[in-house]
Amino acid sequence: RKEVEQDPGPFNVPEGATVAFNCTYSNSASQSFFWYRQDCRKEPKLLMSVYSSGNEDGRFTAQLNRASQYISLLIRDSKLSDSATYLCVVRLTSGTYKYIFGTGTRLKVLA
Amino acid sequence: DTAVSQTPKYLVTQMGNDKSIKCEQNLGHDTMYWYKQDSKKFLKIMFSYNNKELIINETVPNRFSPKSPDKAHLNLHINSLELGDSAVYFCASTQREADTQYFGPGTRLTVL
Repeated sequence: RKEVEQDPGPFNVPEGATVAFNCTYSNSASQSFFWYRQDCRKEPKLLMSVYSSGNEDGRFTAQLNRASQYISLLIRDSKLSDSATYLCVVRLTSGTYKYIFGTGTRLKVLA
Repeated sequence: DTAVSQTPKYLVTQMGNDKSIKCEQNLGHDTMYWYKQDSKKFLKIMFSYNNKELIINETVPNRFSPKSPDKAHLNLHINSLELGDSAVYFCASTQREADTQYFGPGTRLTVL
């Protein structure tokens, strides 16, 4: 079982739709949580950090449930430019500050 | 100004050759990483250095040897390249106590 699991997709949604991605992690030593975005043939870039209280950045909302070891990302009013792969990432508290990436969920927003 | 840079961007070589990839960051970070992203797009950590000290060494063949001459640089040397080494190699950096990790543009390695 992978340490960070995501549905690979692809999620094909029309412009303006709301789409939600889920992620589960297995390592209870996970301390910090993130969503990264990776465009085709580009490097991953931080989309947002995820906090226990939940946080929002414009059309993006992230939630964390530590008890269930579950992270989510909600995108409202999808734009064509949101098409990308979304990577769920956890960072461990083991002292090495190791980041573990999920396999990513691919999103295609259709005109 | 490029925050994390890698050279070369593309590398095509024959099996059995030895090659190096270089990474530099100008963010003043103290921790740098090498990741491998294979054809299935899975991003897997290989090595991490903190203040020039190796702190993460995942299960990687010993043909791969990282080297950090100073905090701003992390290089990766690969001996006796194999077909399975073909992938995109990303360098990243972070300030250890902070959260955000910054990635370089990647080096696309193709072994023929």
